[in-house]
Amino acid sequence: EAGVVQSPRYKIIEKKQPVAFWCNPISGHNTLYWYLQNLGQGPELLIRYENEEAVDDSQLPKDRFSAERLKGVDSTLKIQPAELGDSAVYLCASSGTSGTFLDEQFFGPGTRLTVL
Amino acid sequence: AQSVTQPDIHITVSEGASLELRCNYSYGATPYLFWYVQSPGQGLQLLLKYFSGDTLVQGIKGFEAEFKRSQSSFNLRKPSVHWSDAAEYFCAVGGGNTGFQKLVFGTGTRLLVSP
Repeated sequence: EAGVVQSPRYKIIEKKQPVAFWCNPISGHNTLYWYLQNLGQGPELLIRYENEEAVDDSQLPKDRFSAERLKGVDSTLKIQPAELGDSAVYLCASSGTSGTFLDEQFFGPGTRLTVL
Repeated sequence: AQSVTQPDIHITVSEGASLELRCNYSYGATPYLFWYVQSPGQGLQLLLKYFSGDTLVQGIKGFEAEFKRSQSSFNLRKPSVHWSDAAEYFCAVGGGNTGFQKLVFGTGTRLLVSP
């Protein structure tokens, strides 16, 4: 079974440029998460989807960040414009149908963003 | 709101020696507790979890953890460390309303294994 796929794995951009990250969850997983992991920190939840609906986006900086999950499968996280402080690893995770802790969250390898 | 403290940023253990990584949590109700491992270039992998019942839980790769409510702790242990265990370890607590799954992670402990 394929795991959570993320691309690109690495991205270097100039500040004020836009950037997008893509995530393909495990097949059949209804719940998808985007996390931000700063250097030396644990992951922090940015947004959670149940199918195509964003059910928790309270931690997403909506002035520059946006996300979508078309057809309840793949998801894209976008930053426009990027700032120096956005340099971090962006993790995607998915879990099964219950939406509760009974379903394990499976994490992708992440996208490491460097903003110059 | 729930929170997690991992007081050790780095730990160095000799190969074959025992390991204990500390985790303290703050949560008003009975918590859901997790330990994840993150190897370089890899996604986080679940080692074990505690929901209820037996306070000593067994996980993958020979790890175990003990839930101690009186100490608000969920320390991770392994009797004999292998060089391949070198990685970053994260403790996490889950909580919220029924059906609302939100994990809060600690800052992690980096394990170094010396020969």
